[in-house]
Formats: sequence, C-alpha cells, structure tokens
Amino acid sequence: GNSVTQMEGPVTLSEEAFLTINCTYTATGYPSLFWYVQYPGEGLQLLLKATKADDKGSNKGFEATYRKETTSFHLEKGSVQVSDSAVYFCALSAVSGGSYIPTFGRGTSLIVHP
Amino acid sequence: NAGVTQTPKFRILKIGQSMTLQCTQDMNHNYMYWYRQDPGMGLKLIYYSVGAGITDKGEVPNGYNVSRSTTEDFPLRLELAAPSQTSVYFCASIGTAQMNTEAFFGQGTRLTVV
Repeated sequence: GNSVTQMEGPVTLSEEAFLTINCTYTATGYPSLFWYVQYPGEGLQLLLKATKADDKGSNKGFEATYRKETTSFHLEKGSVQVSDSAVYFCALSAVSGGSYIPTFGRGTSLIVHP
Repeated sequence: NAGVTQTPKFRILKIGQSMTLQCTQDMNHNYMYWYRQDPGMGLKLIYYSVGAGITDKGEVPNGYNVSRSTTEDFPLRLELAAPSQTSVYFCASIGTAQMNTEAFFGQGTRLTVV
C-alpha cells in the first residue's frame, strides 16, 4: 500500500535558521505530493504541492522538489520565523482500489524561538 | 466562504454513550473523508465517501459508522463510546478525482471519552 515517512520531531530552531524536514514515500504509479501545515487548534491547510517528477512546489518561502529517483519530497525554508511554528504533514494522493485516498505522514512539529 | 464545517468543536462523552460528529461542505465536493489524529501518529482514515449514497471503510473503521445521503453532509456516528476513541477528528473533502487536487479540512472535533 501507499505510505509516507517523515522525520520525527520536534524540530527546534532559532529564528532565521535554515529548515529541512525530510519526507519519503512509497506508492504505486505516479502520486501527487503535498505538504500541509497545521497551526494550533486548527485543521490542516495546504502549504504547497507538486504533481510530477522534478516539479518544485513553493509558497510563503517554503519549497519542496518531487524527486522520483529517491522517492522524496523534502521541505525547506531558508530563514524560519516564529510564526512558522506549527506541525507539518507530508502527504501523497493516489488512486487506491479505484478510489482517491490521501495518505499522510505522522507530522513533524516545528518550534521556532526568537 | 465556509468550506468544511465540523460540529461540535469539543465534546466529553461517558463510556457507552453515543454521538454524531457533523460535517458539511459547501463546495460541491464529491469525495469526503473522516480521519482521526492521535499524538505522534498522524492521520488515520476512518471512512470515506466518493459521492452521495456511497461509503467505504478506511484503515480504522471499528466502532464508527457513516452515511452520505447528500453531497454536502457526511456525519460520523459513534455508537458505544470507548476510551480508545478519545482523539481529534477531522473531516476533509476533495473536489475531483484528479490526483493533483488538495484536500480541504474542517477545524476538527476534540472528543474525550471518560
């Protein structure tokens, strides 16, 4: 079946530090890949996505590149802010048994200190 | 622009009680999903629906039931609440079966069974 593995948290950084959150996936066929962000007390919301190999998704200074050869979709940001503190979920979407099922990683908590 | 709306936001149940978690979306989405989120465990799929009148089990369906009588509504029923069902529940929807489409989430229902 499909699965997503992402690095465990929490990741604790100082403001303006560089961020990497690793994500690898297992899927049959050619899934689309997503990063979602969850702020405290809220639901998940889309941060960025990539739909085919070598695509780069970007939003709010965050980037991730769809690497088919390494089955990875690592999230990066050059300079984090306190407001980036949240839980980040890597996800894939693929057809499974004729239905469209999003599959999520366990989430990585990011804590940014001033 | 309501999107996906879940009610209630919080609930405390006693063991053996029943309740229905409500979910409604105003985007005319065909695909709807129920997930539960436990600390450090990511999102587990409970049930999903590909359209009105069609539902199917996800990864962790035991102890739950769903119905989909309209495109807009996808309620989740707990018949005999157990402490293991203490969790945060999220409803999500997707507009099409295209794999590059992201999921839209409600704000969640935090359920405690005592």
